Amino acid sequence: SQQGEEDPQALSIQEGENATMNCSYKTSINNLQWYRQNSGRGLVHLILIRSNEREKHSGRLRVTLDTSKKSSSLLITASRAADTASYFCATDARGYQKVTFGTGTKLQVIP
Amino acid sequence: DAGITQSPRHKVTETGTPVTLRCHQTENHRYMYWYRQDPGHGLRLIHYSYGVKDTDKGEVSDGYSVSRSKTEDFLLTLESATSSQTSVYFCAISESTQGIGYTFGSGTRLTVV
Repeated sequence: SQQGEEDPQALSIQEGENATMNCSYKTSINNLQWYRQNSGRGLVHLILIRSNEREKHSGRLRVTLDTSKKSSSLLITASRAADTASYFCATDARGYQKVTFGTGTKLQVIP
Repeated sequence: DAGITQSPRHKVTETGTPVTLRCHQTENHRYMYWYRQDPGHGLRLIHYSYGVKDTDKGEVSDGYSVSRSKTEDFLLTLESATSSQTSVYFCAISESTQGIGYTFGSGTRLTVV
């Protein structure tokens, strides 16, 4: 069963707007990752945030982690049409050597 | 995707036949994974390997077996394909179990008719 659940399942915004996706998980984690998947392609690793970190930035991406609420958010600023993709969170639960993925948020950026 | 290739990219097979999917990496990473992706389920782990000849089951391993006879190759076999195994299969590799992202292959689209 999925450890992470993304919200919303789908999101449609205009180019230039910000996009926010959320991920909730169930058990304590070592770290949380976000991936992007373009249609028909494999997943691409975007960013990893460790359990002792609260916020991390990478270019137009900003990830926050709240371990007390067992949740994370991914913010994409100044979105572009090329950001259209599905975004997945993945968690590395403590005590397990496997990463589990959520069901994803499908983002559409309209030019 | 650099350093990891999956073959074949597409396959159509008949119910009851065995099928083998191949994942090949040139990164010398220790860990390799097989996932399946289905609408509404996201990615689910089938099997993974933590070294040559060292493998373990994931959450949806029934009907699948794997082998890893050398570092660079991880094979997934559907022993007797069923329609429920129609899916997109992804291989992933990583250097470590913690703190490092996975690198994914481009996937194999398998249709069982």
